[in-house]
Amino acid sequence: EIVLTQSPDTLSLSPGERATLSCRASQSVANDYLAWYRHKPGQAPRLLISGASSRATGIPDRISGSGSGTDFILTINRLEPEDFAFYYCHQYGDSPKTFGQGTNLEI
Amino acid sequence: QITLKESGPTLVRPTQTLTLTCTFSGFSFTTGGVGVGWIRQPPGKALEWVAVIYWNDDRRYSPSLISRATINKDTSKNQVVLILTNLDLGDTATYHCGHRTISGAFDFWGQGAMVTVSS
Repeated sequence: EIVLTQSPDTLSLSPGERATLSCRASQSVANDYLAWYRHKPGQAPRLLISGASSRATGIPDRISGSGSGTDFILTINRLEPEDFAFYYCHQYGDSPKTFGQGTNLEI
Repeated sequence: QITLKESGPTLVRPTQTLTLTCTFSGFSFTTGGVGVGWIRQPPGKALEWVAVIYWNDDRRYSPSLISRATINKDTSKNQVVLILTNLDLGDTATYHCGHRTISGAFDFWGQGAMVTVSS
């Protein structure tokens, strides 16, 4: 099983700043099948990035994903109020599919 | 427009069986590559992948739940059912279902159904 470790656990920033979130895999993620989701409690998680760097429909270009193999980054520029939430990475290249433990992006 | 909605009991006793239903619209299992999965989130904890079923009836389960979980689909009703047997307190969670893209990410999710296991 691929273990995904996200860092930091909590990131405290202000609107307008840049957020950099990390996701490290215990072994290489096949085909770079790595996704990022934003989740606010009580709501449905939202897909932001798939395939490590492809933005999902409707996701603005201030949100970007990068990386390959075992190290992946989610970058959010010019933070807006809606960005303050939990973020999870997810590898779907190997079974079982796994999620990281999450990063809480807070104001 | 793809939508999914989870339904089921909110309170279940330990050792009992949980049946959750995901009712969806905007896609069909008759399309190759389609999959629907279940993901759960215990209170204060991270998301946990549970199971997925594909258009061709292939199924995959989390190793930690494979002995207790069953996922089925009803193509005529546009539903996916998760059955989890012999519940314990650790199964308390919000259970989400999600539409799986052809590559494997979940691009649409339901809002989730909160299930509490308690005596």
